[in-house]
Amino acid sequence: AQTVTQSQPEMSVQEAETVTLSCTYDTSESDYYLFWYKQPPSRQMILVIRQEAYKQQNATENRFSVNFQKAAKSFSLKISDSQLGDAAMYFCAYRSALMSGTYKYIFGTGTRLKVLA
Amino acid sequence: EAGVAQSPRYKIIEKRQSVAFWCNPISGHATLYWYQQILGQGPKLLIQFQNNGVVDDSQLPKDRFSAERLKGVDSTLKIQPAKLEDSAVYLCASSLRDSNSPLHFGNGTRLTVT
Repeated sequence: AQTVTQSQPEMSVQEAETVTLSCTYDTSESDYYLFWYKQPPSRQMILVIRQEAYKQQNATENRFSVNFQKAAKSFSLKISDSQLGDAAMYFCAYRSALMSGTYKYIFGTGTRLKVLA
Repeated sequence: EAGVAQSPRYKIIEKRQSVAFWCNPISGHATLYWYQQILGQGPKLLIQFQNNGVVDDSQLPKDRFSAERLKGVDSTLKIQPAKLEDSAVYLCASSLRDSNSPLHFGNGTRLTVT
């Protein structure tokens, strides 16, 4: 069974600085997607960035980028120029395909990011 | 496009009472998920629907939890009777079957069982 591990329960970063959140996963599959979701106090999970496993190039979305190391099963999120609005819980998620043609998502336990003014 | 709608936003009940949550996914999204998120943890899948059929309910405590999606659109999740350990946020999410479609979440329902 697939597992997702986020070893940092909490991280802090100074405004305008860069922070990296870690995520590792375990799988025997070769084709899958990885995601980072942000959950602010409003509770709604918002997609931050996604990575397809067969793509070697790391995904980038504005100030957010990932370091995807497939062999090491590592998927870290880098936030550059941190802003106060980045403060939230961040969840790493693994997605695998089911026989039904749908997808199953497995989430890590989350990392709480605090941004210091 | 309208997002995933959930209600109620908050609910407080006593143990052994029943409660129901409602979810209306994004129009056209065939796949609907219910997750339980206990404080300090990541979301845990309770049940997954594809249209009105159940794809995965292996982690649903079927002695007290039930869910339905009768017309393949909106869905209800019920707990009867509730236990203290059911206190959590219940998240509904939906997606297209397209591999490029991510999960879209609602705002969740925070349930407190006293």
